[in-house]
Amino acid sequence: GAGVSQTPSNKVTEKGKYVELRCDPISGHTALYWYRQSLGQGPEFLIYFQGTGAADDSGLPNDRFFAVRPEGSVSTLKIQRTERGDSAVYLCASSLWAGGSADTQYFGPGTRLTVL
Amino acid sequence: AQTVTQSQPEMSVQEAETVTLSCTYDTSESDYYLFWYKQPPSRQMILVIRQEAYKQQNATENRFSVNFQKAAKSFSLKISDSQLGDAAMYFCAYRRTQGGSEKLVFGKGTKLTVNP
Repeated sequence: GAGVSQTPSNKVTEKGKYVELRCDPISGHTALYWYRQSLGQGPEFLIYFQGTGAADDSGLPNDRFFAVRPEGSVSTLKIQRTERGDSAVYLCASSLWAGGSADTQYFGPGTRLTVL
Repeated sequence: AQTVTQSQPEMSVQEAETVTLSCTYDTSESDYYLFWYKQPPSRQMILVIRQEAYKQQNATENRFSVNFQKAAKSFSLKISDSQLGDAAMYFCAYRRTQGGSEKLVFGKGTKLTVNP
């Protein structure tokens, strides 16, 4: 596609529920990243995929958060037993992989998650 | 761990004038990348400019230029001939060049207002 797309644009859920957030990277980009942006803050890294595998998941806050990328393209961020503190904008980015160092990251418009 | 500091939560500039946004960072590495991203109310992060640390020449993209002072660990963004469309949040970001993870480390951002 022309850019990174994310669905849904907005998600409202109740405390304790399960949510899935989807990211469609730019076609041909092998690297994919998830970030979380709380109100008034810069994005914070969650997880990075190279192809189908999670190369770095050190930013996931706890085991309620999980992400997959089964075919090396679309990725889904899954949050179990949501808490009010999970409310944030979840940003996805993708980049090419060139010579051992990924190129510039291009971001999607994000999903605003609100946990009531 | 690397950190990025943006000391100006808000800045304002008159249309057609010049403004400089500040950014400092902390790292023990000698090679890395630095970025400025713009985030308008639409939430989509847009790359403004990037700088490779090994390059002494400051990067320039049309009306946007940086002042990269490696020894001082400073990376400021200058916007010349400011336009109304430049109004947005601006984030400074750092990325290491080696080590397996290509995650971006962001500052907290500076909100830029452009007055007509």
